[in-house]
Amino acid sequence: EVQLVESGGDLVQPGRSLRLSCVVSGFIFDDYAMHWVRQAPGKGLEWVSGIDWNSGNLAYADSVEGRFTISRDNAKNSLHLQMNSLRAEDTAFYYCAKGVYSTGWGGYWDYWGQGTLVTVSS
Amino acid sequence: SYVLTQPPSVSVAPGQTARIPCGGSNIGSKNVNWYHQKPGQAPVVVVYDDSDRPSGIPERFSGTNSENTATLTISSVEAGDEADYYCQVWESSNDQYVIFGGGTRLTVL
Repeated sequence: EVQLVESGGDLVQPGRSLRLSCVVSGFIFDDYAMHWVRQAPGKGLEWVSGIDWNSGNLAYADSVEGRFTISRDNAKNSLHLQMNSLRAEDTAFYYCAKGVYSTGWGGYWDYWGQGTLVTVSS
Repeated sequence: SYVLTQPPSVSVAPGQTARIPCGGSNIGSKNVNWYHQKPGQAPVVVVYDDSDRPSGIPERFSGTNSENTATLTISSVEAGDEADYYCQVWESSNDQYVIFGGGTRLTVL
């Protein structure tokens, strides 16, 4: 059974940092690109970042470029999102999602975690 | 920047057909994916590459894509289909990568 389990969400003050993690099981992790998608409470979906199978290709939404860093540890079946200089508008549920391809972009996300909530507020 | 436009809401009676449009400039040249999301749950893909269905998704779900509009069609709508539906494309220009539509709330009357 495929599982993606996010962790690390918390209440943090603006300007502070937070690191999210996603541990996966049930599939060969280093065969696939992985992504982070977020959703502000009551709002729509927003893609945040993606990383290909060997970390050779990373991409970010303009809204987080320069503040967030995506990484993965294939030995530990884990995906991470380092979030710095957090803003109130970063408040959202953060989902990790499995792509259907290993390299480049395209395709769709066939498995998602249940999300972890990040709240940025003073 | 590239924009996908969806109506905020669509309502349909049980057993009828729901059509959810997703408008975008020349969207017919892109592959469109559709996700549904029920309250408190993660999104689930229901149609990918315009018209393909993942295993486990009923044949009642279908998709088309032409010119400036992609459409998700749900036939014989059931109460359990009530959810938010999002279209999504990959966009290679201007470093945008991924675009989601704003989402459509499907209400089953």
